[in-house]
Amino acid sequence: DVKVTQSSRYLVKRTGEKVFLECVQDMDHENMFWYRQDPGLGLRLIYFSYDVKMKEKGDIPEGYSVSREKKERFSLILESASTNQTSMYLCASSPSDPRTDTQYFGPGTRLTVL
Amino acid sequence: GQQVMQIPQYQHVQEGEDFTTYCNSSTTLSNIQWYKQRPGGHPVFLIQLVKSGEVKKQKRLTFQFGEAKKNSSLHITATQTTDVGTYFCAGSGGGNKLTFGTGTQLKVEL
Repeated sequence: DVKVTQSSRYLVKRTGEKVFLECVQDMDHENMFWYRQDPGLGLRLIYFSYDVKMKEKGDIPEGYSVSREKKERFSLILESASTNQTSMYLCASSPSDPRTDTQYFGPGTRLTVL
Repeated sequence: GQQVMQIPQYQHVQEGEDFTTYCNSSTTLSNIQWYKQRPGGHPVFLIQLVKSGEVKKQKRLTFQFGEAKKNSSLHITATQTTDVGTYFCAGSGGGNKLTFGTGTQLKVEL
């Protein structure tokens, strides 16, 4: 079974803090994704990566950056957290084969910015 | 960019009633996927549809992909309390990226 893990289930930070959210997958997937989920808005893509050290902006990249130094690990960075970044953050991974590009999600990190 | 709309946003049904959620894309899709997220959980893959007009069934769930490959539906027959959750469609334009719909939250009352 594919396993995607995220470093924290719940996180509380203060405005202006630098926040790191970590995601690790164990299936040697090429693609990794970061989404945020807000009520009524579904899952919105922040950034994704299709290879080590490669990254592409998603639909809402403002205020975020990412890092992928190793294939299994994809980090989301909030350089200076703001209250409007309070949300559920979901990481996902998928293989690069378009016939089986199912995404496997981690349990999510609920981030509260005070 | 590609947009995927999903309706309704919420649906309350009595156990045993049927349920349908609809998904519409602004562009033609190469495939569409459906995911289910239980309350407090994360999205879990249900199925992928690839061909125009394709219909797939999983027990009480029936998935359809439109002829123009721009819309899809998920129909649940005789809902059960275990069906509670949010159902998302997700469209692929051919790359590795998916565009998720806004989701339909299903509540089933006894």
